[in-house]
Amino acid sequence: GESVGLHLPTLSVQEGDNSIINCAYSNSASDYFIWYKQESGKGPQFIIDIRSNMDKRQGQRVTVLLNKTVKHLSLQIAATQPGDSAVYFCAEDPSSGTYKYIFGTGTRLKVLA
Amino acid sequence: EADIYQTPRYLVIGTGKKITLECSQTMGHDKMYWYQQDPGMELHLIHYSYGVNSTEKGDLSSESTVSRIRTEHFPLTLESARPSHTSQYLCASSEQGVRRELFFGEGSRLTVL
Repeated sequence: GESVGLHLPTLSVQEGDNSIINCAYSNSASDYFIWYKQESGKGPQFIIDIRSNMDKRQGQRVTVLLNKTVKHLSLQIAATQPGDSAVYFCAEDPSSGTYKYIFGTGTRLKVLA
Repeated sequence: EADIYQTPRYLVIGTGKKITLECSQTMGHDKMYWYQQDPGMELHLIHYSYGVNSTEKGDLSSESTVSRIRTEHFPLTLESARPSHTSQYLCASSEQGVRRELFFGEGSRLTVL
């Protein structure tokens, strides 16, 4: 399944399918991006990051893609599991080194059994 | 597992009361932050600190105040709580260096009646 980011806050996918969560960031000068996962009642957890000098970065079951031309970030989750159900936020650092991250609205991922 | 702790996790108080939300981290991080998050919404930076005796207001105006007397401790205070202060408050920290991600606490959910 694929979301269109901020305009579709909920993404439902079947267990075992791949998920794609999109994010449009705001500042062309942002040089660092993070994806966070937030489960109900908990604080956000780091998933993966990417610097602006990269287009793609892979982790365990997750891949982040960065398209600086259109200021777009995506998170791909392979073989989605029930434990992946959460809200996912992208965050950008608009001024290198300030760490004053700007967070997106978030996308809720629901994994269907 | 990040070593950053927030207390209380939940607080229900009446209008006009003074409250302090506690945040402590044991990682020796210089940078600490307070974010405000309404249910299902994005995180907004309200305060940050780059070290002891350094505090700055974030992008979202807040009537709360903070202090940073010790590296590990970054409390947030509301002198006179109002219903408009009802929200979740998330504390975070980060290190000065190559790793730029924020480590979040579990949050303090405040309800002002």
